[in-house]
Amino acid sequence: QLQLQESGPGLVKPSETLSLTCTVSGGSISSISYYWGWIRQPPGKGLEWIGSIYRSGHTYYNPSLKSRITLSVDTSKNQFSLKLTSVTAADTAIYYCARPPRGVDFWSGFYGYWGQGTLVTVSS
Amino acid sequence: DIQMTQSPSTLSASVGDRVTVTCRASQTVAGWLAWYQQKPGEAPKLLIYKTSTLQSGVPSRFSGSGYGTEFTLTISSLQPDDFATYYCQHYNNYSPEPTFGGGTKVEI
Repeated sequence: QLQLQESGPGLVKPSETLSLTCTVSGGSISSISYYWGWIRQPPGKGLEWIGSIYRSGHTYYNPSLKSRITLSVDTSKNQFSLKLTSVTAADTAIYYCARPPRGVDFWSGFYGYWGQGTLVTVSS
Repeated sequence: DIQMTQSPSTLSASVGDRVTVTCRASQTVAGWLAWYQQKPGEAPKLLIYKTSTLQSGVPSRFSGSGYGTEFTLTISSLQPDDFATYYCQHYNNYSPEPTFGGGTKVEI
């Protein structure tokens, strides 16, 4: 059974860089042909797609965040990562990593597998 | 950019009710629409994709319909486990660039 787990600091200072990693178990990123996604949810609010990355490193970014985001993948560690620079209080959210369900097109932008999410608070 | 608008934002219902949630797109999205259920403290759960395809393991009381700019999620007979927030999501048929609706909370 595929599992995803987010990890990283729960508290980041304003203007600094938020860094999160998603560790995949139950399957190998290098042999799975899907785009892996990051989605966030401010407390009490709705969902926002951040970006997606393929095993080759090809990425798609949310245009509203594009200038601050970098996604990367490390197939040797079975992980993919998110960096968000120049954070403000508006970036406080639960951050989820996710993947499309089995049996759909590899570029699919809907998600059947989710991590449990990790709360990142931006505060001094 | 395509905007997804859900209505109502909150819906009060009782066990056994037939419940309908509406999602409207600011421009046509063909049939590329998914629905999720989210309970407090949990990650979203995929219910439906491609407008009406039920994700594996999802009860058949959930169904989806629509095309173009207007879509609906229907729960035929609301169960206690169904009280949650529901999100629609548009996605492209060629790239992973989704847009979520604002959510509909189904409460008792």
